[in-house]
Amino acid sequence: DAKTTQPNSMESNEEEPVHLPCNHSTISGTDYIHWYRQLPSQGPEYVIHGLTSNVNNRMASLAIAEDRKSSTLILHRATLRDAAVYYCILDQTGANNLFFGTGTRLTVIP
Amino acid sequence: GAGVSQSPSNKVTEKGKDVELRCDPISGHTALYWYRQSLGQGLEFLIYFQGNSAPDKSGLPSDRFSAERTGGSVSTLTIQRTQQEDSAVYLCASSSRQALSGANVLTFGAGSRLTVL
Repeated sequence: DAKTTQPNSMESNEEEPVHLPCNHSTISGTDYIHWYRQLPSQGPEYVIHGLTSNVNNRMASLAIAEDRKSSTLILHRATLRDAAVYYCILDQTGANNLFFGTGTRLTVIP
Repeated sequence: GAGVSQSPSNKVTEKGKDVELRCDPISGHTALYWYRQSLGQGLEFLIYFQGNSAPDKSGLPSDRFSAERTGGSVSTLTIQRTQQEDSAVYLCASSSRQALSGANVLTFGAGSRLTVL
């Protein structure tokens, strides 16, 4: 299973931007980088994914390093509803599953 | 349906009993996954179904665990002779991934919380 490394926890003030880092130094050229989040008492939900270029959607932005060995999920304005565990995952070509680590628990302070 | 449905949402059982957990994936999704999540832990992969191919059972923790997917749609995860360590949230996900290439976006259900007394 491809491993990613994330901080166990982070805090952010409400209405401020949040940058959630992820290291994936063993990434292969065709592996996609995915982010999911898990709100309390819910299943994980898809946030964003990318391959090489930075990506934006209505939920977040994904900044991918040029060497692809790290990435950052950016929440532009944190709200209380963004408090969740955020998982950074490598979607490996040929793999049958996505490997979820323990993620980063984001606390949003009002 | 609009999303992935799982039932029951909560199940309390006695040690040694068998349990069945059901997953109804998004219509048209060919891939179906079962994960489990113990309290405060990440997700542990259990089993993967893709179309009519043989399932990937590499994550099943013991022979007490089995799963089937009938007609390429609904799936049932069965745990025989439950043990206390089986207590966890069992999550089902589906995706429209057609082949093992390209991005694979999963949609998860809300999970079935199993408590073994």
